[in-house]
Amino acid sequence: GDSVTQMEGPVTLSEEAFLTINCTYTATGYPSLFWYVQYPGEGLQLLLKATKADDKGSNKGFEATYRKETTSFHLEKGSVQVSDSAVYFCALSGSKGAQKLVFGQGTRLTINP
Amino acid sequence: NAGVTQTPKFQVLKTGQSMTLQCAQDMNHNSMYWYRQDPGMGLRLIYYSASEGTTDKGEVPNGYNVSRLNKREFSLRLESAAPSQTSVYFCASTDRATDTQYFGPGTRLTVL
Repeated sequence: GDSVTQMEGPVTLSEEAFLTINCTYTATGYPSLFWYVQYPGEGLQLLLKATKADDKGSNKGFEATYRKETTSFHLEKGSVQVSDSAVYFCALSGSKGAQKLVFGQGTRLTINP
Repeated sequence: NAGVTQTPKFQVLKTGQSMTLQCAQDMNHNSMYWYRQDPGMGLRLIYYSASEGTTDKGEVPNGYNVSRLNKREFSLRLESAAPSQTSVYFCASTDRATDTQYFGPGTRLTVL
C-alpha cells in the first residue's frame, strides 16, 4: 500500500539556519503530496501542497517540489525562525474522491534563538 | 465560522468503559475523517465518511464505530475501551474545491 517516510527527528537548529526535512513516498499512480504543521497543543494545519510532478508548493517561506523520479517531496526553508518550532508531517493522497491521507511519522523541529 | 470542533478535549476512561467522541464542521464539507495520533507513528485513519449517509473503514478501524449523523456531524464510538486505544484523536473534513483537509484541535484519551 501507499506509504510515506520522513527523516527522523528531532531536529534542532539555530535561528536563521537553513532547513531541510526529507520526505519520500511509495504510491501507485499519481498522488497529491502535502506538508502539514502541528504547533503545540493544536491540530494540524496545511502548510503547502503539490498535485503533480514538478509542481512546487510554497507558503510562509517554506517550499517543496514534487519529484516523481526520486519519489520525494523535501521541505526547505532558507532562514528559520523560533516561531517555526513545531512538528511537521509529510502526507500523500492517492485516492480520487474522498481524500484519505497517509502520513509520515512526523519530524519535531526546534529552533533556538 | 468555527471550522472543525471536537468534544471533549480530554478524557480518562477505565478499561471496558464506552464513550463517544463528537465532531462537527461548519464549512459545508462532504467528507469527514477520524484519525488517531500515536508517538512516532504519525496519524492513522480510523474511519471516514465520503458523504452524508456513507462511512468506510480506514487503516485501523478495529474497536471503533462511527456515525455520520448529518452533513455537519461525525461521531466516533469506543464500545469497550482498551489501553491500546490511549491516543490523541483528530477529526477532519475536506474542502474538495481546494484539496485541503481541515483538522480539529484533538481529543486526548487515556484508557487505564
